[in-house]
Order: sequence, then C-alpha cells, then structure tokens
Amino acid sequence: AQRVTQPEKLLSVFKGAPVELKCNYSYSGSPELFWYVQYSRQRLQLLLRHISRESIKGFTADLNKGETSFHLKKPFAQEEDSAMYYCALSTSGGSNYKLTFGKGTLLTVNP
Amino acid sequence: DVKVTQSSRYLVKRTGEKVFLECVQDMDHENMFWYRQDPGLGLRLIYFSYDVKMKEKGDIPEGYSVSREKKERFSLILESASTNQTSMYLCASSSVQGNSPLHFGNGTRLTVT
Repeated sequence: AQRVTQPEKLLSVFKGAPVELKCNYSYSGSPELFWYVQYSRQRLQLLLRHISRESIKGFTADLNKGETSFHLKKPFAQEEDSAMYYCALSTSGGSNYKLTFGKGTLLTVNP
Repeated sequence: DVKVTQSSRYLVKRTGEKVFLECVQDMDHENMFWYRQDPGLGLRLIYFSYDVKMKEKGDIPEGYSVSREKKERFSLILESASTNQTSMYLCASSSVQGNSPLHFGNGTRLTVT
C-alpha cells in the first residue's frame, strides 16, 4: 500500500533562512509526487509537481527514487511562505485518480 | 479558472441527523473527490468518482455515502451523523489528463453535537 510520510508536524524558521520540508513515500510502482499548500483562510492548491521539474515561488523539489524522498526546498524563506504544506503521491498513472496525502507540515517563517 | 464550490462553509448538525454536503465544479472534470481534513491526520480520502453514477471507496468510507447523478455535482452523505464526523470536509475535482492537479473547494466545517 502507498504511504506518504512528513516527519515534521511543525517547522519554524527565520526570514531569509533556508527551509526544507521533508517528504518520504512508500510505493512499489512508478511514483508521481506533488506538493500542495494551504495559506491561511485559503483553499488548498497545487504548489508543484515533480514531473514538471519547475520552481514555484522559489521552491523546488527533486524526486530521489533511491531514498524514496521528495523534499521541498527554498534557499531563502519569506514570511508569506508561512502555510500548511502537504506532500502527495499519485498512484494511478498521473491522473490523480487517487492522491494519497501526508499529514502535513505547518511552516512558520518568523520576521 | 476552475471553480469548485461547496454549498456550505459552516454546518452544525445533531447526532443521528442525515447530512448532505454538496459540491459543484464548473470545468467539466471527470474526477471528483471527497476528503476530510483533521489536524495531525492530514487529508484522508473518503470517496471518489471518475464518472457519472460511478463511485469508489477511499480510505475511510465508513459512515459515508456519495451520489453523482450529474457530472458537475458530487454529494457526500452522512447517513446518521456522529460526533467523530466533526471535521473539515474538502471536495476536489480533476480532469483525467495526465498529471492534472486537484482543484479544491473552500471546505465545509461540519460540527456534530
């Protein structure tokens, strides 16, 4: 069965510091991974997906199949990055047929 | 821009009541989902549907049912509400195209007293 693990419930950094939100997955097939973000009082939305290999709002994430990880990184955190972040695993060929989410990490960026 | 609309933002119901949560999307998406979001537990999939009148159980379907009579509408039904169903409920939709993202509604915060 597929599983997504986000080991940190809470993460607090200072503005300008690097930030890394960890995500590990367990899946026997070919994984497709995503990061979703929920800012205060806003709906949950896609931040980035591994297949696109893109940088969004300064965030990047690299799929490491050897370590079964998909950590989210940003070199210089900003206060507006404070939000709940969810790592998610798609297990149906990328159609988001069934998306399994981690338990989330609440990031707080302090001034 | 895709819009997923959940009919109620806040709902308070009594134990034993039958509860309907409604969700409508305007992008002709094939897939629709219901999740519940609880602190410390993340998002857990209740039910999903990939076509009209089609439904599949997610990870926590017990105590819930769904209805998808029209492509744009996906309803979550609590047959007999219980206090442990107090939660934030999120509806989402997506197309079947590869790697298409989930589009979420604003959520319905349900309190069962």
